[in-house]
Amino acid sequence: AQSVAQPEDQVNVAEGNPLTVKCTYSVSGNPYLFWYVQYPNRGLQFLLKYITGDNLVKGSYGFEAEFNKSQTSFHLKKLSALVSDSALYFCAVKGGAWGNTGKLIFGQGTTLQVKP
Amino acid sequence: DVKVTQSSRYLVKRTGEKVFLECVQDMDHENMFWYRQDPGLGLRLIYFSYDVKMKEKGDIPEGYSVSREKKERFSLILESASTNQTSMYLCASNLDRRSPNYGYTFGSGTRLTVV
Repeated sequence: AQSVAQPEDQVNVAEGNPLTVKCTYSVSGNPYLFWYVQYPNRGLQFLLKYITGDNLVKGSYGFEAEFNKSQTSFHLKKLSALVSDSALYFCAVKGGAWGNTGKLIFGQGTTLQVKP
Repeated sequence: DVKVTQSSRYLVKRTGEKVFLECVQDMDHENMFWYRQDPGLGLRLIYFSYDVKMKEKGDIPEGYSVSREKKERFSLILESASTNQTSMYLCASNLDRRSPNYGYTFGSGTRLTVV
């Protein structure tokens, strides 16, 4: 069965410091991986995705994520955190087998708190 | 930009009421999805639809039904609302389920409170 795990409920970081939000996955076939961000009382916004190719994916707002097949991970990173990055972050995976339903499976979410 | 519009941001309903949550997308997407979001549980898929009049159960369909009479509109129905259905409901759409390149576009969500 496909699954996504975000092992940290909350990540705290000081403004200007680097941040990492962790994600591990389990799928059959090649994984398609996504990160979304949710600001309070809003829907989810797309940040970045990994489909194929370069393991380092760059996305919106200075975020990037590294696909690591051997560790089945797709951690979200940013070199210098901003207070405005404070939000709820979701990792999601779609299994790669042909004929799959196309459903995205989401992790439970990680709250990122960036302090001034 | 694709827009996914959910008709209500906040709803308060009474136990036992029939509740309709509406979602409309404006970019001719094939696929539409309803999720509920609860703290610590992430997003859980309720129902989805690949085409008009087609629907498939997600992971937690009990107590819900859906309707897709037109391609752009996907309605979630709570047949008899209960307090454990108090949640944030998120609608999403994407172009083509067979292509991995297409992620989801989400609506802003409807926060439903059942009293």
